[in-house]
Amino acid sequence: DTGVSQDPRHKITKRGQNVTFRCDPISEHNRLYWYRQTLGQGPEFLTYFQNEAQLEKSRLLSDRFSAERPKGSFSTLEIQRTEQGDSAMYLCATRGGNSYEQYFGPGTRLTVT
Amino acid sequence: QKEVEQNSGPLSVPEGAIASLNCTYSDRGSQSFFWYRQYSGKSPELIMFIYSNGDKEDGRFTAQLNKASQYVSLLIRDSQPSDSATYLCAVKGVGNQFYFGTGTSLTVIP
Repeated sequence: DTGVSQDPRHKITKRGQNVTFRCDPISEHNRLYWYRQTLGQGPEFLTYFQNEAQLEKSRLLSDRFSAERPKGSFSTLEIQRTEQGDSAMYLCATRGGNSYEQYFGPGTRLTVT
Repeated sequence: QKEVEQNSGPLSVPEGAIASLNCTYSDRGSQSFFWYRQYSGKSPELIMFIYSNGDKEDGRFTAQLNKASQYVSLLIRDSQPSDSATYLCAVKGVGNQFYFGTGTSLTVIP
């Protein structure tokens, strides 16, 4: 257990529905990342927060995806109008300000039917 | 060209042997390099990181970095069946993004 938690661990939803995932970082980690991973691929960067500021966002990220990190603590990732292609593992990773080592949460597996 | 390239394998080694995993990266400005282990259905687990040219050893694991050749490797000595997993190479770019390879699947045969 890295100390990064994610909720829910599994989510099954129907196409067109909205879903929201939560990540709680290691308490002293001010940098937070969201990734998406599909079978046979490495994690793909989605977005990056430093404290409460969203500083980077993948150019490939559809406008159906939005992320927040109010107060620089937990973060949420919302996907609107889900599509079957959104089915993947959504991973949160965090790191401290003076360190490049990032630690992953257990992930949320999304299945869109 | 992908940022990080790995041989997807599968790589099979007998128990007790040395497993050698390789990774190349395209951004010559990259400074930080990481190896993650990922068991099926689980999230990636950080096992090694290296920032300077040369070797870095931690228990049965050795990471090797050659920035001139843009090459990173991971050696696992005395491989155990519990080492069977997918190994992901990750590189931190000049900004804050991390780029991951597709992973190499390792099977250690008892």
